[in-house]
Amino acid sequence: SYELTQPPSVSVSPGQTASITCSGDKLENQYTCWYQQKPGQSPILVIYQDTKRPSGIPERFSGSNSGNTATLTISGTQTMDEADYYCQAWDSSTVVFGGGTKLTVL
Amino acid sequence: QLQLQESGPGLVKPSETLSLTCIVSGGSISSNNYFWGWIRQPPGKGLEWIGTFFYIGSPYYNPSLKSRVTISVDTSKNQFSLKLTSATAADTAVYYCARLDGLAVAGLPSYYFDYWGQGTLVTVSS
Repeated sequence: SYELTQPPSVSVSPGQTASITCSGDKLENQYTCWYQQKPGQSPILVIYQDTKRPSGIPERFSGSNSGNTATLTISGTQTMDEADYYCQAWDSSTVVFGGGTKLTVL
Repeated sequence: QLQLQESGPGLVKPSETLSLTCIVSGGSISSNNYFWGWIRQPPGKGLEWIGTFFYIGSPYYNPSLKSRVTISVDTSKNQFSLKLTSATAADTAVYYCARLDGLAVAGLPSYYFDYWGQGTLVTVSS
């Protein structure tokens, strides 16, 4: 079965750029999306189709996908961006989630 | 505005069947444009996909749960359901229902959950 691998944690200072990676075999041949989840809340879609932002998601969120790695980038990170982030892809009619990355802003 | 709401028992005994329903409002589950699905999250852990369906045709299930999972749909009530048999403590989780949007772009599938329910905690314990 297909697997997506994320680092368990990433730390960033306020105002700096945070990058969260998601690795999978030939991932560039899949479209990847990203979710943000804050404690006690449902996940929110922040990036879909590798690079697109849903309505209402701030421009500081961006995505890319090349080779075996998709990346979620948060520019000018704010304290409100502290959350868990999950990547997700669709492979052979199944949904695959990455293990999640805890973003700490300090 | 589309809304999804999970409902069902918060406590299930081991070996029994976990049953949940997702009531959809503000949109039709019979739409030709969307899939629908279930996702769960054990306490303190990550998201796990359970299954996805289109309102016609057979559902797709997580291979690791396939032998115990059934997803069914009631279009007349605009709701869909999850049944997970032979529950164990490992099935304790927050269960979410969600809408899966997407399409094939340049021949590659792009599918993502764009609307989620608030989630419901199900504890498997005697």
